[in-house]
Parts: sequence; structure tokens; C-alpha cells
Amino acid sequence: DIQMTQSPSSLSASVRDRVTITCRASQDIRNDLGWYQQKPGKAPKRLIYAASSLQSGVPSRFSGSGSGTEFTLTISSLQPEDFATYYCLQHNSYPLTFGQGTMVEIK
Amino acid sequence: QLQLQESGPGLVKSSETLSLTCIVSGGSIISSSYYWDWIRQPPGKGPEWIGSIFYSGITYYNPSLQSRVTISVDTSKNQFSLKLSSVTVADTAVYFCATQSTLDDDYGAIDNWGQGTLATVSS
Repeated sequence: DIQMTQSPSSLSASVRDRVTITCRASQDIRNDLGWYQQKPGKAPKRLIYAASSLQSGVPSRFSGSGSGTEFTLTISSLQPEDFATYYCLQHNSYPLTFGQGTMVEIK
Repeated sequence: QLQLQESGPGLVKSSETLSLTCIVSGGSIISSSYYWDWIRQPPGKGPEWIGSIFYSGITYYNPSLQSRVTISVDTSKNQFSLKLSSVTVADTAVYFCATQSTLDDDYGAIDNWGQGTLATVSS
């Protein structure tokens, strides 16, 4: 199985802060990675696909980068509605595997 | 627009079989554009991929659950199902059905989720 190591596990930030979340894969997954946002009681919502492509309808303050084994999700200016938990998911090979999640909290 | 809706009993006894169904609307399950997936999320934890099925019946399972999992598809009812046998309290989770894309630039990605249903295993 491909292990996805996500960091940090949680962070506290203020509105308008720049936030960066990282996922590291245990082996090369090319760009077969997505980033998801999850709010309590809801299903995850995809923000980024193919490591760096913005999902339709997602604000441009979200961006993704990376390939191979190192990936980053950046929120350029944190908004109140962005406080949530974020997960990466690799789909390069079965079984699909998620990162452990990053909870973004209000400072 | 494709919509997915999970259904099934919310409470299952330990050692019994958990059975859930995902009803697909807004599109046909006989589609080459998707695999049909199950994903679960224990309370307070991250999601875990369970497995997927193509409309033809081809399946892929997570090795960690493979001995207990069966995913099937019913094309006449436009739905697919999950059976998880010999459940324990560790199988308590929100279970989501989802689609996995087969499109070239998004192959294998999970791109659409149902709202999820909580299944509790009682001891």
C-alpha cells in the first residue's frame, strides 16, 4: 500500500492568513492526487484534482502543487468558511489511500 | 447531475453482516465513465477506501477488508451494494458511496460523494 503522510495534523490560523498543508507519498504517484475539504457532518468535497488543477466552482485562493512524492495545498488568504479538515487522497494504485487529515482551526 | 444516496440499517449487531445500498440518480450505473465505490469514516478519524465495482462486475477491494467485503451492482435498479460480514464495534463508521472517474485526465480519482450514512455496530 502507498502511505500518505500529511502534515501538520492541525493548525491554528487567522482570517487572511496564508496556509500550507503538505502530503508526502511513500512512493512515486506522479500527479495522481486530490485534495478534499470536509466540514462536520458532511461528505468531503474535492478542491484540487491531478495535484494542481482547481475543481470547477472552487475559489481561486485554493491551489495545489507537486508531483512524484511531495504535494502541497495552499490557501492564499484564509476565509471564515475555510475552517475545516483537509485530506489528500492518492489514486495512483489500489488500495486508494488518504492522508491523516489537517484540521484548520480559528486562532 | 449524478446523485448518490446511501440507505440501510443504522444499527447492526456484532458478528452479523452490514448491508448498505447506494441508489444512483441523474445518470446510469451502466456507464464507462465511473467505477462505483464505498468509503467509510469512523467517528473522529479519516476516511478509508473499502472498494469499487465497474458495471460489468469487475471489483477491487482494500486488502485490509477483502476477506469480509462484497460489493455488487444491480443494473436493473440502478444501484450498487456493500456487504461487510462478521462486523465488530471497530466497523462503526459513516459509510459513503462515491464515484471514481475513468476519464483520462482524472483517472481513478474520487469525484462525487453521497451524503453518507452512519452504521453503528452494537456489542
